[in-house]
Amino acid sequence: GNSVTQMEGPVTLSEEAFLTINCTYTATGYPSLFWYVQYPGEGLQLLLKATKADDKGSNKGFEATYRKETTSFHLEKGSVQVSDSAVYFCALLWARQLTFGSGTQLTVLP
Amino acid sequence: GAGVSQSPSNKVTEKGKDVELRCDPISGHTALYWYRQRLGQGLEFLIYFQGNSAPDKSGLPSDRFSAERTGESVSTLTIQRTQQEDSAVYLCASSPQSTENYGYTFGSGTRLTVV
Repeated sequence: GNSVTQMEGPVTLSEEAFLTINCTYTATGYPSLFWYVQYPGEGLQLLLKATKADDKGSNKGFEATYRKETTSFHLEKGSVQVSDSAVYFCALLWARQLTFGSGTQLTVLP
Repeated sequence: GAGVSQSPSNKVTEKGKDVELRCDPISGHTALYWYRQRLGQGLEFLIYFQGNSAPDKSGLPSDRFSAERTGESVSTLTIQRTQQEDSAVYLCASSPQSTENYGYTFGSGTRLTVV
């Protein structure tokens, strides 16, 4: 079956540091890939997506590139802010089933 | 409505009682999902509706869990004889039928506490 493995947290960074959260997937077909974010006390929000190989999703300074050769979709941001503190979930969508990773808690310190 | 609405937002119930959780998807969204998120864990798939039918119930953890959807709209997740391990946030998501690549819109969830 399909699965998503993402970097275990928690991750703690200082403001303006560079962020990478690794995500790799296993899928029987060619899924769409997503990053979702959950801010404290709020619901899941779609952060960015990529629907085919070599696509780059981007939003709010975050980027992730769909790498078919390494089955990866790593999330990056060049300069994090305190307001980026949240839990980040990598997910894949195939045959209408959405499979999530276990989430990575990010804390950004001022 | 503008987003996916879930109710109640919080529910505290005694062990052994039945609970009903409601999800109002975005109008016109034909696909509807239920997930569960236990404290400190990732999302666990429960059930998926396409229209009013549920082609995939594989995630329901036991026969105490059931769900229905009517009018290709509101869905209800029912947990009978609740147990403490049922305590979690229950999330609903919806998506337009034809947009496989769109991604799902999630509600804010129902936080269920079984005491």
